[in-house]
Amino acid sequence: KNQVEQSPQSLIILEGKNCTLQCNYTVSPFSNLRWYKQDTGRGPVSLTIMTFSENTKSNGRYTATLDADTKQSSLHITASQLSDSASYICVVSDRGSTLGRLYFGRGTQLTVWP
Amino acid sequence: EADIYQTPRYLVIGTGKKITLECSQTMGHDKMYWYQQDPGMELHLIHYSYGVNSTEKGDLSSESTVSRIRTEHFPLTLESARPSHTSQYLCASRGIADSYNEQFFGPGTRLTVL
Repeated sequence: KNQVEQSPQSLIILEGKNCTLQCNYTVSPFSNLRWYKQDTGRGPVSLTIMTFSENTKSNGRYTATLDADTKQSSLHITASQLSDSASYICVVSDRGSTLGRLYFGRGTQLTVWP
Repeated sequence: EADIYQTPRYLVIGTGKKITLECSQTMGHDKMYWYQQDPGMELHLIHYSYGVNSTEKGDLSSESTVSRIRTEHFPLTLESARPSHTSQYLCASRGIADSYNEQFFGPGTRLTVL
């Protein structure tokens, strides 16, 4: 069964600190993995995308890693800001589907305190 | 920022009412999707469309219906709303030539049925 599991479910950190969010998946055949940021009451916005051959991708203070062998990914946030408070969703796409099916994790709810 | 719009953003209605959630995109995307998301849970696909006059049900059973008469427009209708329909509804679209399968999300409609 294709699944995406994220941990932790929620996380509270102080402004300026770093944090790492985890994602494990069982989606096959794998096409790509994307991290989305979803602010409360808004739609998800893409942060990074990685294909099978990529093992790291950065977008400003966000750095994602991918280990396709162990089917794990992480999202590292550096020098957190209050605006980083949001849900971070790991999304995996399978290959060969004309629908372009996405498999969503439940997200990690990050709260950054001043 | 993706050009995909949803209206209304928030809707509170009584049981038994008929409602239509609007979704429009100006990117000329062929594929469009409707997702349902409850707090702290993953997004569930309820409807999708490959293009004009194409509609299919998704993974999660839904009493809602959709139509795709124009490329840019993908409305979702509930004939008789019930409290169990209370949720956030997210619309997304994807370009047919996008090999990364990136879906762009609208801001969502938060529906509350009393």
